[in-house]
Parts: sequence; structure tokens; C-alpha cells
Amino acid sequence: AQSVAQPEDQVNVAEGNPLTVKCTYSVSGNPYLFWYVQYPNRGLQFLLKYITGDNLVKGSYGFEAEFNKSQTSFHLKKPSALVSDSALYFCAVRDSSGGSYIPTFGRGTSLIVHP
Amino acid sequence: EAQVTQNPRYLITVTGKKLTVTCSQNMNHEYMSWYRQDPGLGLRQIYYSMNVEVTDKGDVPEGYKVSRKEKRNFPLILESPSPNQTSLYFCASSLSVRGGTGIVEQYFGPGTRLTVT
Repeated sequence: AQSVAQPEDQVNVAEGNPLTVKCTYSVSGNPYLFWYVQYPNRGLQFLLKYITGDNLVKGSYGFEAEFNKSQTSFHLKKPSALVSDSALYFCAVRDSSGGSYIPTFGRGTSLIVHP
Repeated sequence: EAQVTQNPRYLITVTGKKLTVTCSQNMNHEYMSWYRQDPGLGLRQIYYSMNVEVTDKGDVPEGYKVSRKEKRNFPLILESPSPNQTSLYFCASSLSVRGGTGIVEQYFGPGTRLTVT
């Protein structure tokens, strides 16, 4: 079975500071990992994904995520936060084995960037 | 423009009155899905479809129906809505989810906010 956890309901950061939104996962095989962002009154938008290869994945809007197999984590990061980054962020995982083609989403983390 | 559209965007209805939320995508995607989003519970999958005439239950299918008669459309039907179906609903699609070519991201519609009184 596959599962994903976002341990923080909310993350607060000052504009210009680095930000991290945490995600941990559990799978039987290898993980396929995704980050999505949801701005107010909008649908989810894809940010980045990890399939294989380099552990540091770069995505849209200056975001990146680091895959750590030993810690089963895929944390979302940005070196310098903007107020416009304030949104709801979802991590999703799909197991490469077990026959499930459908990703599981986390509960979401609300990122608030203060001016 | 590649997109997933949903209608209506907002709907207030009464218990027991059948309703349909439409979803359409113009990207020739095989895979389509419906989610509901509730505070503290995140995104939960209701139904999904791997292709035309192929649908399957997600995590929370009770009280919902779907159909996939055409590749581009995937309507969500509530035969007898109840207040516990008050939620924000999202339709999503992707090129495919199977095999090595299936590790792709999903495209989401703008959402439908449903209130059942």
C-alpha cells in the first residue's frame, strides 16, 4: 500500500527567507513523487515530480524538491520565499509496484509568507 | 488552450434533488478522475476512469455515480445529494497512468463548490 504524509498543516515564513514544506511517503517499490500547488479559488497546478535519477528536482516558480530514499522524504524547498507563494501545497505518491496506477495525495500544507 | 473545465463552478441545492457536475478536457487524455476536498482531509478520490467505458471506485465513492461515454467528458452524478456531500469538487485528467509512459502529472479543473442544504 502507498501512503503520504504532510506533517505540518501550516508553515509560516518571512518573505526573502528560505522555505521548506515537508513530505514523507511509504511505498512497497520505488516511489514516483509529485508536488502540486493550489492558489485560492483555483484548481491544483503541477509543480514538479521525481521519477528517477538526480535527487534534486527543479520545478516551476523557482521551487525544487529533494528526494531522500533513506528518510523516505520529498521535501519542497525554495531559497527565497515570495508573498505570492502563499498557497496550499499537496504532495502525492505513486508506488512503482503493486499494480496501483493511481497516486495518493497528502492532506496539504498551507504556506503563509509574511511581508 | 489545454484545459479541464467544470460546470457549474458554484451550486447550492437541497437534499435529494439529483444533480450533475460536468467535466470536460481538450487534451485527449485517457485518464480522468474526480476528487473532493474537505478541510483537514485533503484530497480524496471519488471515482476514476482509465479510458472510455472504464470506470472504477476511488476511496469515497458512496453516493456518487460517473460515466465515461466519450473520451473528453466525465460527469459526476449525485442521484440523491445529502448535506455530507457539501464539499469542493475537482475533476482531473492525465495522458495515461499505465506503464512507463504513465508517470505523468494530472491537470485539474477549477473546482465546483457544492452546498447541499
